[in-house]
Amino acid sequence: QSVLTQPPSVSGAPGQRVTISCTGSSSNIGARYDVQWYQQLPGTAPKLLIYGNSNRPSGVPDRFSGSKSGTSASLAITGLQAEDEADYYCQSYDSSLSGYVFGTGTTVTVL
Amino acid sequence: QVQLHESGPGLVKPSQTLSLTCTVSGASISSGNFQWSWIRQPAGKGLEWIGLIYTSGSTSYNPSLNGRVTISIGTSKNQFSLKLTSVTAADTAVYYCTRVNGFRRDSDYWGRGTLVTVSS
Repeated sequence: QSVLTQPPSVSGAPGQRVTISCTGSSSNIGARYDVQWYQQLPGTAPKLLIYGNSNRPSGVPDRFSGSKSGTSASLAITGLQAEDEADYYCQSYDSSLSGYVFGTGTTVTVL
Repeated sequence: QVQLHESGPGLVKPSQTLSLTCTVSGASISSGNFQWSWIRQPAGKGLEWIGLIYTSGSTSYNPSLNGRVTISIGTSKNQFSLKLTSVTAADTAVYYCTRVNGFRRDSDYWGRGTLVTVSS
């Protein structure tokens, strides 16, 4: 079950900026738990893209940025590239479940 | 470099127990502020957190799995395992093991995943 809601898909032309929203509740994002973002390329395991709401692990391009406000978070991709076509998932901790929760996932398509 | 590798049967019969092992290299599962987790993904669907084990041996599980899950430290020094009982076709998925950074609560290292099919 996913308690974090994302749009099923977003698309953009190369070079454009796209954003993906992640909407939670007062027991997860709104409870000040951090949000992580993962990128899953076709046929591969997810890869950590953003941690602690807005931090990039070493090696992740600065085209990817994250933010959080209230009960929602967002991932932005600027200067969209063909290699960014993938599924993206947000993740946080939920106090009512006493465990981790993922978003429903968003497929990014480069037109 | 931390590496994780899932192993176990790729086919399990309905009502039986799914058993997987995650072998970790490049890090010790018994030290540091890390947790070790299992996550699954049915074909064409999203990620579902199954549970995790702390270095202390304490565990936390997804309540939606209704008590069918057990995560434990393996008999080998740097392995941990997953057992899921009374499986049905709905448990068919790719199963991933991950390392969770205890400070940041993110899964910073993932295994490649292993497909488990529940079918008679």
